[in-house]
Amino acid sequence: GNSVTQMEGPVTLSEEAFLTINCTYTATGYPSLFWYVQYPGEGLQLLLKATKADDKGSNKGFEATYRKETTSFHLEKGSVQVSDSAVYFCALTRYSSASKIIFGSGTRLSIRP
Amino acid sequence: EAGVTQFPSHSVIEKGQTVTLRCDPISGHDNLYWYRRVMGKEIKFLLHFVKESKQDESGMPNNRFLAERTGGTYSTLKVQPAELEDSGVYFCASSQDGRGVYEKLFFGSGTQLSVL
Repeated sequence: GNSVTQMEGPVTLSEEAFLTINCTYTATGYPSLFWYVQYPGEGLQLLLKATKADDKGSNKGFEATYRKETTSFHLEKGSVQVSDSAVYFCALTRYSSASKIIFGSGTRLSIRP
Repeated sequence: EAGVTQFPSHSVIEKGQTVTLRCDPISGHDNLYWYRRVMGKEIKFLLHFVKESKQDESGMPNNRFLAERTGGTYSTLKVQPAELEDSGVYFCASSQDGRGVYEKLFFGSGTQLSVL
């Protein structure tokens, strides 16, 4: 079946450090891939997405590239800020309905000033 | 514009008790979804309403869970009786369109349920 595996947290970094949160997936066909973020006290929000192989999603300085050959969608940011502290969820869907989104288990990121 | 609102933000109950969670979607959103994250694991889909009708309830774990959306506005999710394994964060989300517009899927901040 379809599934998403992401690195376990928590991840703690210093401000301005480079960030990578690994995400790999298992799916038949060609899923769309997403990163969602949940800031403290807020709901999940879509951070970025990629809908086909080699697409790069980007937003707020974060990037992730859809790698079909390695079934990965790693999240990266060159210089993190304290305000990036949140829980990040990798997700996929093969369908257009939000009822079919498969989420990973989340990675908590904490950034030290 | 108000976002998706969930009540309560936290609930602590004893095993065997009943708890009712509420979700107020964004006004005008016909689609309402419930998800949950148990034990810090992956977020899983529970069910999907279109207006007051249950479009998909394939993720509901068992008959201790009852979801309603009377009048197609707010929704409630009742757990009766609650068990220890029901502890987790329950998320609600809403959208105007039901398909393919993930940028327009809005989540609430969740209800943290602890069953002791």
